[in-house]
Amino acid sequence: EPEVTQTPSHQVTQMGQEVILRCVPISNHLYFYWYRQILGQKVEFLVSFYNNEISEKSEIFDDQFSVERPDGSNFTLKIRSTKLEDSAMYFCASSVLSPELPTGELFFGEGSRLTVL
Amino acid sequence: RKEVEQDPGPFNVPEGATVAFNCTYSNSASQSFFWYRQDCRKEPKLLMSVYSSGNEDGRFTAQLNRASQYISLLIRDSKLSDSATYLCVVSWKGYSTLTFGKGTMLLVSP
Repeated sequence: EPEVTQTPSHQVTQMGQEVILRCVPISNHLYFYWYRQILGQKVEFLVSFYNNEISEKSEIFDDQFSVERPDGSNFTLKIRSTKLEDSAMYFCASSVLSPELPTGELFFGEGSRLTVL
Repeated sequence: RKEVEQDPGPFNVPEGATVAFNCTYSNSASQSFFWYRQDCRKEPKLLMSVYSSGNEDGRFTAQLNRASQYISLLIRDSKLSDSATYLCVVSWKGYSTLTFGKGTMLLVSP
């Protein structure tokens, strides 16, 4: 069964360092997303990407964050200068259709746990 | 405002019990509705979409009440493996994103 894959599964970094989280979405999917979940809290939307550009972003997704789809398969999230409060599980997701549709199911990767010290 | 509210629980039920969760959402410009399931420290996985007329998938029944802006999930004949957090998820017209509730934790005991 096709799946979304994410690397690394866990990254520990020092405050102020740059971090790149990588994702390989399901190959025929058109919509790509990053969500995050701070321990014990809800899943929060960061950014959606469609047709090679950001379609939406949340207030969390400030200038410290960027996304790229450098080739036909990878989708990356970069955090330029990490802060303690960036510690969270970061989930990549993809979908064939827009989630406005009842069939617009998002498939999530297993997540990348980021710990900022 | 795009908000989704759920009772966090936990709901503690014995095997075989029937349990129901409700979820309310803030904005009538909602578009699509879903229940996702999340196991501890794992990714969310789709349990079922929620259709206007209500829908059933085995032991699971989902209902939507647009007038009152709530969604429900009923689980019949609970199994130990149903223990998880159930996430109510809503999409909004004109937005290609999903908004998640905090989730309701279910613990099914032998």
